[in-house]
Amino acid sequence: SQTIHQWPATLVQPVGSPLSLECTVEGTSNPNLYWYRQAAGRGLQLLFYSVGIGQISSEVPQNLSASRPQDRQFILSSKKLLLSDSGFYLCAWTVNTGELFFGEGSRLTVL
Amino acid sequence: AQSVTQPDIHITVSEGASLELRCNYSYGATPYLFWYVQSPGQGLQLLLKYFSGDTLVQGIKGFEAEFKRSQSSFNLRKPSVHWSDAAEYFCAVASLFSGGYNKLIFGAGTRLAVHP
Repeated sequence: SQTIHQWPATLVQPVGSPLSLECTVEGTSNPNLYWYRQAAGRGLQLLFYSVGIGQISSEVPQNLSASRPQDRQFILSSKKLLLSDSGFYLCAWTVNTGELFFGEGSRLTVL
Repeated sequence: AQSVTQPDIHITVSEGASLELRCNYSYGATPYLFWYVQSPGQGLQLLLKYFSGDTLVQGIKGFEAEFKRSQSSFNLRKPSVHWSDAAEYFCAVASLFSGGYNKLIFGAGTRLAVHP
């Protein structure tokens, strides 16, 4: 069966520090991969999606970047975090079935 | 542009009571619609989905939803709520592109509290 893993689950970082959140999917090939952010009291905002290795599309201009170095690996990064980057980050995948399957999320607090 | 509106930010019901969570969407073509549930600090779990066919769809945990094209709605219902249903519920609409890529647009969510 397919599984999705995100880590770290919780992260507290100072302003200006770098960020790396990792997501891996197991049990499937060539998934579409997504990064969403959920700010407190708000819905989910799509940040990035990827349809293949090295193929990244950004939905909103921001301080973050994404990379897909392997078929089932999706990484969210920042060189210098801002306070506004705090939130709950969710990775998700799909393969031609319409619905998305989400990881357990990574909570980032920027101080 | 596609959008999803969940008019109720918070809803409180008593255990055993019926539940209806509202969802309205804006989408030019035939929509693909979803309901997800999120427990605190967790990821999202798919409750049910509508792609085509019967407008009343059954999901997990005793939930169902009805697609009404004339009202652009996809309301979630449950006849008898359990305390474990307390969570946040998200409605979403998807647009499908060639190659299977789909983009989900989420509503702001409805937080459900259940009183004993």
